Amino acid sequence: EAQVTQNPRYLITVTGKKLTVTCSQNMNHEYMSWYRQDPGLGLRQIYYSMNVEVTDKGDVPEGYKVSRKEKRNFPLILESPSPNQTSLYFCASSSMTDTQYFGPGTRLTVL
Amino acid sequence: AQSVSQHNHHVILSEAASLELGCNYSYGGTVNLFWYVQYPGQHLQLLLKYFSGDPLVKGIKGFEAEFIKSKFSFNLRKPSVQWSDTAEYFCAVGASGTYKYIFGTGTRLKVLA
Repeated sequence: EAQVTQNPRYLITVTGKKLTVTCSQNMNHEYMSWYRQDPGLGLRQIYYSMNVEVTDKGDVPEGYKVSRKEKRNFPLILESPSPNQTSLYFCASSSMTDTQYFGPGTRLTVL
Repeated sequence: AQSVSQHNHHVILSEAASLELGCNYSYGGTVNLFWYVQYPGQHLQLLLKYFSGDPLVKGIKGFEAEFIKSKFSFNLRKPSVQWSDTAEYFCAVGASGTYKYIFGTGTRLKVLA
């Protein structure tokens, strides 16, 4: 089954404690992206990747890092999380700027 | 700067009413246009998309959208909504050449049975 998986689905952490949210896709898509969804702000792109070892900033990259060492994986790293990063995070993949396939979401709370 | 505007933030309709959700984008180059739907507690799914050709595109569940290039608009329509259409709807633009993907702020639709 074609899918995008994210882990964990829910995470509560404290300020400053490094965390990683994993994302994996099995559709051989070149393009992967991370978004955060906040009430009234819609989805905002954090980072995207056009292929292995090629990443670029979206609209809200501050406080986040990504890596793309393998085509199927695109982890999101928060090295020092802060409360303003409390949000719902979605990973997505696609064949370039075609239809995005979304993961189930990760609800992150930073205390 | 590239942007996508959805003018209706909250819409409440009765079943069988007609729906039109507005979407305007700001981008000077070639774009791919999308409408996604997010049902309560679920992730986003594609409703329909426009890349080129006939500006009137049909999607799943009876939805359609019309691309009007001169107005930079891609409005979503459905002639008769159902209670199961209650969801949040997002317009999105994929900007060719930049690989950026921009979403609107979403429209929450509530359909009353």
